[in-house]
Amino acid sequence: SQQGEEDPQALSIQEGENATMNCSYKTSINNLQWYRQNSGRGLVHLILIRSNEREKHSGRLRVTLDTSKKSSSLLITASRAADTASYFCATDGGSEKLVFGKGTKLTVNP
Amino acid sequence: GAGVSQSPSNKVTEKGKDVELRCDPISGHTALYWYRQSLGQGLEFLIYFQGNSAPDKSGLPSDRFSAERTGGSVSTLTIQRTQQEDSAVYLCASSLQTKYEQYFGPGTRLTVT
Repeated sequence: SQQGEEDPQALSIQEGENATMNCSYKTSINNLQWYRQNSGRGLVHLILIRSNEREKHSGRLRVTLDTSKKSSSLLITASRAADTASYFCATDGGSEKLVFGKGTKLTVNP
Repeated sequence: GAGVSQSPSNKVTEKGKDVELRCDPISGHTALYWYRQSLGQGLEFLIYFQGNSAPDKSGLPSDRFSAERTGGSVSTLTIQRTQQEDSAVYLCASSLQTKYEQYFGPGTRLTVT
């Protein structure tokens, strides 16, 4: 079964608005990662947050992690049309491999 | 520097044929992963290699799937007697070590007719 589940499945916003995507997982983790995928091909790593961290920033990205609720959120501020992509969370579930969710498809309208 | 490369980028094959997909990881990365992604779906883990350790094959869907990594570098994923349900994008990723960020190749789109 999926370790990480993103919510919502799809999100459509206007350029300049903020986009928030959520991820829930089931088992204990060492870290949680967020990736972006354009056009159904290779994924690009965005940010890694460790289990002992609660918040992390990278440019317009802000990731939070709540291990008590087994959930994480990815916030993209001041969105741009170029942010249109699918976003995936991935967790290690305490093992050596990452397990990816099905992703959130984000559309940013100009 | 060079990223992860995969070949071919697209492969169309007839049902029942064997196919080989290749992945060249980033130099120095000890961990290498194979995933499969069907249309509109998330990534399905297939197999990973870490250094000289035995690979974790727990995600391979059937015994028609196999993979090897020669010299700790290039990896080949082989699918024997392909079926239509094997049609998907096959993604390869490498990382310095397991649990680190992964760097993905562009994928191979496999279509079984």
